[in-house]
Amino acid sequence: DTEVTQTPKHLVMGMTNKKSLKCEQHMGHRAMYWYKQKAKKPPELMFVYSYEKLSINESVPSRFSPECPNSSLLNLHLHALQPEDSALYLCASSQEQGARIDEQFFGPGTRLTVL
Amino acid sequence: KQEVTQIPAALSVPEGENLVLNCSFTDSAIYNLQWFRQDPGKGLTSLLLIQSSQREQTSGRLNASLDKSSGRSTLYIAASQPGDSATYLCAVRRNYGQNFVFGPGTRLSVLP
Repeated sequence: DTEVTQTPKHLVMGMTNKKSLKCEQHMGHRAMYWYKQKAKKPPELMFVYSYEKLSINESVPSRFSPECPNSSLLNLHLHALQPEDSALYLCASSQEQGARIDEQFFGPGTRLTVL
Repeated sequence: KQEVTQIPAALSVPEGENLVLNCSFTDSAIYNLQWFRQDPGKGLTSLLLIQSSQREQTSGRLNASLDKSSGRSTLYIAASQPGDSATYLCAVRRNYGQNFVFGPGTRLSVLP
């Protein structure tokens, strides 16, 4: 099973709402990632979790709050977003064994629209 | 800072042609390079992963090469089909780093 799943597929929220994006993988991967992708642009890294610990935060605004409850799940909590945060949010995972890091597998994404 | 570029930005070819997509990176101290395809509004599908010690990888009609010293990788697609139409992205991972740097992509259209 080389699948990364993401829910929901689509999300529309107001600027005062609180919502969460979810990501799940059952490949035994110990590194999980959140990316943001705007239309016709490449993905931009937001966060990396390694062995359930946050290892990279690419200066993302605090209105985005990641959480890794266990090795298979990754959440992204959203609060007080701005319209410019509308984008495709992608989750990915990869195996990680010491210094060896293998290929990334991506989920289908959540299309977020902030009104 | 690692910068990744891809040429061409867009490509339109008739079905059956062999084609080459190019990816260039500025810092040769990479750990690996991965090629992806992305259909509109969808996630990324991994095509090939090349470790820094490798020169090429093959999967079906796809062949990817890596020349670290010159900072270049190419993706060769043989006998292109309309189903190959998508955006192709290369991503470079620096040594022992956990983050990829993506190129801007090449948008490919294969015409029937």
